[in-house]
Amino acid sequence: AQSVTQPDIHITVSEGASLELRCNYSYGATPYLFWYVQSPGQGLQLLLKYFSGDTLVQGIKGFEAEFKRSQSSFNLRKPSVHWSDAAEYFCAVGPYSGGGADGLTFGKGTHLIIQP
Amino acid sequence: KAGVTQTPRYLIKTRGQQVTLSCSPISGHRSVSWYQQTPGQGLQFLFEYFSETQRNKGNFPGRFSGRQFSNSRSEMNVSTLELGDSALYLCASSLVPTPNTGELFFGEGSRLTVL
Repeated sequence: AQSVTQPDIHITVSEGASLELRCNYSYGATPYLFWYVQSPGQGLQLLLKYFSGDTLVQGIKGFEAEFKRSQSSFNLRKPSVHWSDAAEYFCAVGPYSGGGADGLTFGKGTHLIIQP
Repeated sequence: KAGVTQTPRYLIKTRGQQVTLSCSPISGHRSVSWYQQTPGQGLQFLFEYFSETQRNKGNFPGRFSGRQFSNSRSEMNVSTLELGDSALYLCASSLVPTPNTGELFFGEGSRLTVL
């Protein structure tokens, strides 16, 4: 079965500093990978996605992520964070086509705190 | 363009009752997915509907059911509520079924509390 691990439950970063959120996945084939962001009381918004091709993908709000097949990772990065980036970030993989449930499999999320 | 609309936003039920949640997708979107979000289990896939047909279902008991109407609006129902059903239920819509577009547009969710 597919799975997603986000090792960091909480991360605190100073405003203006760089950010990297980690994501590792387990999947039996070429994965579709996603990063979503959830602000308090809100639904999820797609930041970026990887299907194939260039392993460095650009997203909205200045975010980027790099797919590394050898490390089964899809880490999210931003060169300079803003206070408005404080939110919950979810990595997701999908779909599973080996007989299990489809839909996206999400990690448990990383809570990003921005220090002034 | 209006986003995904979920109603009600908040509701409180007692054990044993049933609940129906509604989701109106973005205009033109024909695929609707439902996810359950809890602090312990995180986001878990419930089911997906496309053109009034359930395409996929997650690992949830039969108490969880759903349907989609001809206008793509969807409802999910949970019968015989248990305390563990307390969660934020998120609906997401897309033009076509996942993962073909990759982008799910999420609503703000319906927060269910079971007492």
